[in-house]
Amino acid sequence: AQSVAQPEDQVNVAEGNPLTVKCTYSVSGNPYLFWYVQYPNRGLQFLLKYITGDNLVKGSYGFEAEFNKSQTSFHLKKPSALVSDSALYFCAVRETQTGANNLFFGTGTRLTVIP
Amino acid sequence: KAGVTQTPRYLIKTRGQQVTLSCSPISGHRSVSWYQQTPGQGLQFLFEYFSETQRNKGNFPGRFSGRQFSNSRSEMNVSTLELGDSALYLCASSAGQPSDGYTFGSGTRLTVV
Repeated sequence: AQSVAQPEDQVNVAEGNPLTVKCTYSVSGNPYLFWYVQYPNRGLQFLLKYITGDNLVKGSYGFEAEFNKSQTSFHLKKPSALVSDSALYFCAVRETQTGANNLFFGTGTRLTVIP
Repeated sequence: KAGVTQTPRYLIKTRGQQVTLSCSPISGHRSVSWYQQTPGQGLQFLFEYFSETQRNKGNFPGRFSGRQFSNSRSEMNVSTLELGDSALYLCASSAGQPSDGYTFGSGTRLTVV
């Protein structure tokens, strides 16, 4: 069965510092991995995805993520945090072997960027 | 192009009532998925419809049901509402391929009193 772990409920970072939001996953076969962001009272917005190819994926708003197959991780990163990056971040995985098309989400990490 | 539209945005219902939520996907998207979001449980998958057929279903009781119309618009229905059904219900559309991400609507905030 597929699963996603976001080990940190809360991440605080100073504005201008690099940020990392962690995600590890467990699936059968090769995963499709996604990051989404949610602002208050809104739906989730797509940031980036890893399907295949280069392990470093670049996405929206300056975010990037690195796929590490041996560590089954897909951490979200940004070189310099902005106050406007403060939001709830979700990692998600889609299993490719079972034919189930739904995304399985982690429990989310709340990022707070301190001015 | 227009995004995913969910109506209504807010809803207050009484225990025992039923409710219908609506989702209009992005034009051309044939897959619509529904999720329940609560602070304690996070995002829980309800079901996915593709070309009017339920393609996948999560672990929710039969009180939760859905359907999809020929224009890809989808509705979900919850009967005999319970207090625990209070949540943000999110609809997501995609083209339906495994490599596709979702585009989410803003959600319907359901409060059961």
